[in-house]
Amino acid sequence: GAVVSQHPSWVICKSGTSVKIECRSLDFQATTMFWYRQFPKQSLMLMATSNEGSKATYEQGVEKDKFLINHASLTLSTLTVTSAHPEDSSFYICSARTEGTEAFFGQGTRLTVV
Amino acid sequence: SQQGEEDPQALSIQEGENATMNCSYKTSINNLQWYRQNSGRGLVHLILIRSNEREKHSGRLRVTLDTSKKSSSLLITASRAADTASYFCATDRGKLIFGQGTELSVKP
Repeated sequence: GAVVSQHPSWVICKSGTSVKIECRSLDFQATTMFWYRQFPKQSLMLMATSNEGSKATYEQGVEKDKFLINHASLTLSTLTVTSAHPEDSSFYICSARTEGTEAFFGQGTRLTVV
Repeated sequence: SQQGEEDPQALSIQEGENATMNCSYKTSINNLQWYRQNSGRGLVHLILIRSNEREKHSGRLRVTLDTSKKSSSLLITASRAADTASYFCATDRGKLIFGQGTELSVKP
C-alpha cells in the first residue's frame, strides 16, 4: 500500500511553546489529508480535513487558532499546535487519500506537554 | 464526532477461534472501512466495502454490510495471537469517521 510518513513520532515540549507535526504522502499525491487526535484507550477523533491549496475544514469544537493546519502541496500537510498546554498532550495521527480510495495513515505523533 | 458504535468493546478469545466484531452507524455512507491498530501505532487498512456491496473477503477476513440496518461486521477466522489489536470501523462520506473500536485479545 501507499506510504504516509509522519514526523516526529514523539515530541516533548514546554507549556506555551508551539509544535509542528508533518505528514507526507511519499508515493502518491494526496488530494485530501485528515488530522485525528486519539486519547488512550479511545477512538480517533477527527479534528480537521484539509484539501491541497485551500483552508482546512475543522470539526465542531476544534479550535482553529490553536490547531493550525496547512496543506501547501499534494504531498505535505502540517499541524501546528500553538501555545501548547498539558491538556493538548495526546496522540495525533494524519491520514492521506486520493478521492474515493482508502485512506493511508501515518504512524502517529505522541505529544507530551510539560 | 463519532459516527459508529462498535461492539463488543473488548473481546478475548483463544487462538484458532473466530472473532466477530460489529459496527453500527447513523447516516448514509459511500463506503465503510475497517482498520487495525496495534497499541500506540498508526492504523492499517484492512478492507473497504462499498455501499452497494453486501460481503467482501480478504484472506481470513470477512466483512458484511447491511445498509438497511446501517450495520457491518468483521469476522476474523482462525485467529492468531498476532491478531491482538484494536479494530475500528470507519464510515466514509468524504471524510472518515471512526467507531469506538473493539479491543481484541487472542490468547495463545
